[in-house]
Amino acid sequence: QQQVKQSPQSLIVQKGGISIINCAYENTAFDYFPWYQQFPGKGPALLIAIRPDVSEKKEGRFTISFNKSAKQFSLHIMDSQPGDSATYFCAATQGGSEKLVFGKGTKLTVNP
Amino acid sequence: DSGVTQTPKHLITATGQRVTLRCSPRSGDLSVYWYQQSLDQGLQFLIQYYNGEERAKGNILERFSAQQFPDLHSELNLSSLELGDSALYFCASSVGGSFYNEQFFGPGTRLTVL
Repeated sequence: QQQVKQSPQSLIVQKGGISIINCAYENTAFDYFPWYQQFPGKGPALLIAIRPDVSEKKEGRFTISFNKSAKQFSLHIMDSQPGDSATYFCAATQGGSEKLVFGKGTKLTVNP
Repeated sequence: DSGVTQTPKHLITATGQRVTLRCSPRSGDLSVYWYQQSLDQGLQFLIQYYNGEERAKGNILERFSAQQFPDLHSELNLSSLELGDSALYFCASSVGGSFYNEQFFGPGTRLTVL
């Protein structure tokens, strides 16, 4: 049972373009939604996170948009750069004491 | 560099064997988490320890066990290994015991079971 569904599986974007990765969840008790970035040969690293009481959070070129009624959230990468090429994972948890549940990941390739 | 260290980097073993993966958390972090990453299952939470005590349990098989020692380093023991156990195993650490805390991941141990 996959609790967080992530799409697309892979994404190719031109330098300077916008990358958009979507996630959907079923469990309405989820209350914390982080995104992780993983480069080849490395462990995941926290990129940005959001709670459901806000609809958008922006950190530099990275923005999370959150739609509570649709149970969806997405990561937007503005002005995508070749250095952003990595695998991105969305995740969710509830109450702080429940495990992080991860999406299957999106492999982003930004062409120069 | 996250500050989390994992050894060994690579491990190749045979079915039926037992291996131990080691993790040292960032200085000051009390929580250690173990994850398994495979192509078909993605990133799966296995188990969490906080200050030496088991705090949360995920999809950890009965053949797997873990512990956190007084110096806060942790070991993940995998026994009766099967081909399907081949995966990347990550350790992460955080200051507190909540999943709201930022987790810092180590570089992983790649386990190959032949």
